[in-house]
Amino acid sequence: QVQLVESGGGLVKPGGSLRLSCAASGFTFSDYYMSWIRQAPGKGLEWVSYISSSGSTIYYADSVKGRFTISRDNAKNSLYLQMNSLRAEDTAVYYCARPRGGQSWFDPWGQGTLVTVSS
Amino acid sequence: SYVLTQPPSVSVAPGKTARITCGGNNIGSKSVHWYQQKPGQAPVLVIYYDSDRPSGIPERFSGSNSGNTATLTISRVEAGDEADYYCQVWDSSSDHFVVFGGGTKLTVL
Repeated sequence: QVQLVESGGGLVKPGGSLRLSCAASGFTFSDYYMSWIRQAPGKGLEWVSYISSSGSTIYYADSVKGRFTISRDNAKNSLYLQMNSLRAEDTAVYYCARPRGGQSWFDPWGQGTLVTVSS
Repeated sequence: SYVLTQPPSVSVAPGKTARITCGGNNIGSKSVHWYQQKPGQAPVLVIYYDSDRPSGIPERFSGSNSGNTATLTISRVEAGDEADYYCQVWDSSSDHFVVFGGGTKLTVL
């Protein structure tokens, strides 16, 4: 079955960096756009970034533009999010998700990985 | 940027019908998608393209969209339906592309 498994979360100091990974299985990864979506503790969902199937097209939310970099390795069926210059407000559970319907909705989602930015 | 407005909470008795609204400017011209999120779990798609159900989602879940309001309707509510529900649209005119509503906590009394 289609499965997405995130890893790489943890505690990091403000200004620090972290790299998240998402391992995909059960579908032809290289055929699909992929996305990162986050959820701050007790808050709603916030879209972070999209990457096209080839990696040639990338979009970011304004809140992370210039600090986060999305990438993928289709040979390894893996999605990544490099997060630099982290701030307290980046504290959240980060989900990878597969966009569908022309990148319109998301299904499925991974179980998420928690990133905590604190001194 | 485009804004989606949901009521923070909705309460319903078991066996009754719950309606969760999602308001947005001319939202009827957009495709609306709905997610269910139970505590400690990832969101799950329950409705896409306003009213389509993914496989495995009970027929009790339905959606509609017109004018300035989209609605998720859950019929014959069960205790297991208690969760947060989020609406979402894709807005090509926005720098954000993807917009989520603030979420609605459904409580089954």
